[in-house]
Amino acid sequence: AQSVTQPDIHITVSEGASLELRCNYSYGATPYLFWYVQSPGQGLQLLLKYFSGDTLVQGIKGFEAEFKRSQSSFNLRKPSVHWSDAAEYFCAVGARDSGYSTLTFGKGTMLLVSP
Amino acid sequence: DGGITQSPKYLFRKEGQNVTLSCEQNLNHDAMYWYRQDPGQGLRLIYYSQIVNDFQKGDIAEGYSVSREKKESFPLTVTSAQKNPTAFYLCASSRASGRPHEQFFGPGTRLTVL
Repeated sequence: AQSVTQPDIHITVSEGASLELRCNYSYGATPYLFWYVQSPGQGLQLLLKYFSGDTLVQGIKGFEAEFKRSQSSFNLRKPSVHWSDAAEYFCAVGARDSGYSTLTFGKGTMLLVSP
Repeated sequence: DGGITQSPKYLFRKEGQNVTLSCEQNLNHDAMYWYRQDPGQGLRLIYYSQIVNDFQKGDIAEGYSVSREKKESFPLTVTSAQKNPTAFYLCASSRASGRPHEQFFGPGTRLTVL
């Protein structure tokens, strides 16, 4: 079965500093990887996704992520954080089993942005 | 404007009562999902459906039931058998063909058992 680990529960970053959120996955076949963001009391919004091809993918709001198969990682990055980026971030891996597709989510990383 | 709607936003229930959460989508997606979110637990899959009149149990289906009578609708019933129902519930939808697709989420329903 697939799984996702987000090692950091909370991260605090100064506004304007760079950001990297870690995500490690476990899945035997080709992974389909996603990053989502959630503001308090809201639903999840897709930031970016990786299916195949270029291992560096660009997303919305200036985010990017790099797929590294050798490390089973899909870390999210942003060069300069804005106060509005404070939210919870979820990494997910997609799998297809017996004709059904599901996503397995990590437990999330809460990003705090300090002035 | 395509999207997913969930209602109500807040729901209060007395112990021993069943309650139904609504989820509607106009994205023409075949697949729909229900997740439960608790602080520090991420999202856990309750039920999912890939086609009308078919649904599958997820990781934490006990105490919940669903129906899929229409493509656009996937209501979730939290029954009195669910021992700890207070949580934030999220509905999502996606395409269903081939590889796993990105899921689109509704705004959620916060259920509180009094």
